[in-house]
Amino acid sequence: DQQVKQNSPSLSVQEGRISILNCDYTNSMFDYFLWYKKYPAEGPTFLISISSIKDKNEDGRFTVFLNKSAKHLSLHIVPSQPGDSAVYFCAANPGAGSYQLTFGKGTKLSVIP
Amino acid sequence: DVKVTQSSRYLVKRTGEKVFLECVQDMDHENMFWYRQDPGLGLRLIYFSYDVKMKEKGDIPEGYSVSREKKERFSLILESASTNQTSMYLCASRGGGKETQYFGPGTRLLVL
Repeated sequence: DQQVKQNSPSLSVQEGRISILNCDYTNSMFDYFLWYKKYPAEGPTFLISISSIKDKNEDGRFTVFLNKSAKHLSLHIVPSQPGDSAVYFCAANPGAGSYQLTFGKGTKLSVIP
Repeated sequence: DVKVTQSSRYLVKRTGEKVFLECVQDMDHENMFWYRQDPGLGLRLIYFSYDVKMKEKGDIPEGYSVSREKKERFSLILESASTNQTSMYLCASRGGGKETQYFGPGTRLLVL
């Protein structure tokens, strides 16, 4: 049973526009969420995170929104740049001393110049 | 900056060979993890270690074992490599009371 779902395997966006990547989760115990970016043949790089006590976190061009009642989070990239083209993974942690992250299957973002 | 290194970027092995993948982190992190990444399946946890000499099975431990004799080093062992273990292997570490895991560059393993 997939507890973290990224329902869009791919997304194409024009350079300069907004990219919105979505993630849904089923486990109500998750209380910390992260986004990672991964280029081919490289390891994932941490991008941004959000705790369940917040509904928004911003870092430069990247903003993560969390809707706990809908069990949904999204990553907004504004403006999108060609270098943002990568696979984006959503991950969740249930807290309470848990060591593990549960990852979604990823969304491949292509930013078209 | 956290640095996680993996012993090889690319590896080609024969079916039945014993394979060692090594991971080293330089941030004194308590926790270390091994994942494999396959197209359409995302990142799946194989094993993790919450402290030296301690290990826990992840979601897909079959066919793998691990060793953590020193805090900075976490090894993944394929006792008898099979073609279905062809994959990208990723090591990560976590510590300092934070949730973020930091990843190494990955090892792309091909088993023939």
